[in-house]
Amino acid sequence: DQQVKQNSPSLSVQEGRISILNCDYTNSMFDYFLWYKKYPAEGPTFLISISSIKDKNEDGRFTVFLNKSAKHLSLHIVPSQPGDSAVYFCAARADRGSTLGRLYFGRGTQLTVWP
Amino acid sequence: DAGVTQSPTHLIKTRGQQVTLRCSPKSGHDTVSWYQQALGQGPQFIFQYYEEEERQRGNFPDRFSGHQFPNYSSELNVNALLLGDSALYLCASSKGQLFGQPQHFGDGTRLSIL
Repeated sequence: DQQVKQNSPSLSVQEGRISILNCDYTNSMFDYFLWYKKYPAEGPTFLISISSIKDKNEDGRFTVFLNKSAKHLSLHIVPSQPGDSAVYFCAARADRGSTLGRLYFGRGTQLTVWP
Repeated sequence: DAGVTQSPTHLIKTRGQQVTLRCSPKSGHDTVSWYQQALGQGPQFIFQYYEEEERQRGNFPDRFSGHQFPNYSSELNVNALLLGDSALYLCASSKGQLFGQPQHFGDGTRLSIL
């Protein structure tokens, strides 16, 4: 039962352009969403998050948008840099109830930024 | 400020053996969660420890067990290893009951079962 879905296994973008990574979820109880970046042989590194009470959160080149009615979020990276090449995981959790704090992950999207 | 540390980094075992993985949370964090990441998949929640008790458990058999110590560090034990247990095991730490705070991950232990 995949409650968080990343339907694009890979994305290739030219340096300087915008990268848009998408994520869909099914559980309406989720109220906190996170993006993690993962390089080979390293653990996931927290990138940016958004609470369900917001629809946008920015941190430098990274912006996350949340559309609760569509149960969809996206991560925008502008401008993309070669060092951004990594696997990006979308994750969600409910900060209340019996699954408090448990993260549900998508399968990840491999982003490649080429010069 | 040390982040989440896990040991060992790699481990090779054979079917039927038992294994113990270790995790030290980020300084100031008191909650530890364990995740299993199979090849090509996202991490899957195993269980969470807070105040030395297992607070939640994912869909994993009883062969997977854990412990949290008074200094907040944690162990993951897996008995009767199966080939399907081969995966990257990740530890994540956080403070308290979260409420808008992200979990931070270690670099994981790569477990290979022969």
